[in-house]
Amino acid sequence: EVQLVQSGAEVKKPGESLKISCKGSGYRFTSYWIGWVRQMPGKGLECMGIIYPGDSDTRYSPSFQGQVIISADKSISTAHLQWSSLKASDTAMYYCATVSRGAFDIWGQGTMVTVSS
Amino acid sequence: EIVLTQSPGTLSLSPGERATLSCRASQSVSSNYLAWYQQKPGQAPRLLIYGAFSRATGIPDRFSGSGSGTDFTLTISRLEPEDFAVYYCQQYGSSPRTFGQGTRVEIK
Repeated sequence: EVQLVQSGAEVKKPGESLKISCKGSGYRFTSYWIGWVRQMPGKGLECMGIIYPGDSDTRYSPSFQGQVIISADKSISTAHLQWSSLKASDTAMYYCATVSRGAFDIWGQGTMVTVSS
Repeated sequence: EIVLTQSPGTLSLSPGERATLSCRASQSVSSNYLAWYQQKPGQAPRLLIYGAFSRATGIPDRFSGSGSGTDFTLTISRLEPEDFAVYYCQQYGSSPRTFGQGTRVEIK
């Protein structure tokens, strides 16, 4: 069974750093792009960027370029999303998803990030 | 960046009725690379339709997608109780990939 399992909820203070993870199983991790999607409380979905774990080719949406870093460690079949200095406006649910036939096919369960002083 | 506008914002219908959701793009979607997702409260989104009209694995045939260019439609032929949710369209033909703002289908 193809599955993406994300790391648990995080509560951080403004200015802190954070790295969340998304572990793939049941498929060849290096052969499919993985995307990250933000959903702010009560709002819609926003694509942050995608990464190809096979060679770490990464494409960021302009709104997120320079704000986050997307990476992948193919040795442990895990993609990461990280911030160097969190802001309150980063409070959101973050989803990872595999890209199959172009669309976001299999989704992780989400990681809730809360940034509050 | 392609802007997707979904309408209506909210659709109030009864079980058994037909739902028609619209997604309009600010410019033509390349190769009809348009997907539809369903999201229920507290859950991750689920892929329903890709390539404008192809159903994803395990999606019932009461869900159908149509359209091309800038105008796309998701139709639910007969609403089941589990279909009341928020639906999003997304284009992946141009970078950056963008989503519509969503249509909520609620029980009348």
